[in-house]
Amino acid sequence: GENVEQHPSTLSVQEGDSAVIKCTYSDSASNYFPWYKQELGKRPQLIIDIRSNVGEKKDQRIAVTLNKTAKHFSLHITETQPEDSAVYFCAASNFNKFYFGSGTKLNVKP
Amino acid sequence: GAGVSQSPRYKVAKRGQDVALRCDPISGHVSLFWYQQALGQGPEFLTYFQNEAQLDKSGLPSDRFFAERPEGSVSTLKIQRTQQEDSAVYLCASSYSVNTEAFFGQGTRLTVV
Repeated sequence: GENVEQHPSTLSVQEGDSAVIKCTYSDSASNYFPWYKQELGKRPQLIIDIRSNVGEKKDQRIAVTLNKTAKHFSLHITETQPEDSAVYFCAASNFNKFYFGSGTKLNVKP
Repeated sequence: GAGVSQSPRYKVAKRGQDVALRCDPISGHVSLFWYQQALGQGPEFLTYFQNEAQLDKSGLPSDRFFAERPEGSVSTLKIQRTQQEDSAVYLCASSYSVNTEAFFGQGTRLTVV
């Protein structure tokens, strides 16, 4: 089955700095890669996703890159704000079975 | 409602008790998933339905876990003879189609004492 690894497990940045979270996956058949943000006690919510036919996608301060050859994808948050503080999960999906990484706790210090 | 709804939000069960967790997906969503999330961990896949068909149950940890979605809408996750290691948040998610955004419910926090 698919194995998704996520790094780092915790990340602390100063407000305004950039944050990068990296994930690797094992199943070359995976073709959909969503990123979820989960605030304490709340449900995971999709923030951005990318499909295997695209190498990069950007939405305002958030961007995701995908390297299919190396089987890794990354989340980039620029100009971080305190409200970006949360746990972020990457996931890889092959025909609707989502496998999640273990999460990155992002702390943005004001 | 507009989103995925789960009930109850919190459940405390005595060890050995059976529990049933309910998920109301977004209307019209074909796919429905159940995940188990331990504290500080990512969601772990349990099972997946496409309409009423349970296409994958490979993540169910034991035969004490059973899920159904008889009419292709509401789903129930049942855990028999609960054990302490079953304590976790159980998340339900639904999506409109294959490999599209999965919308999560608020989860049910199960505590087995």
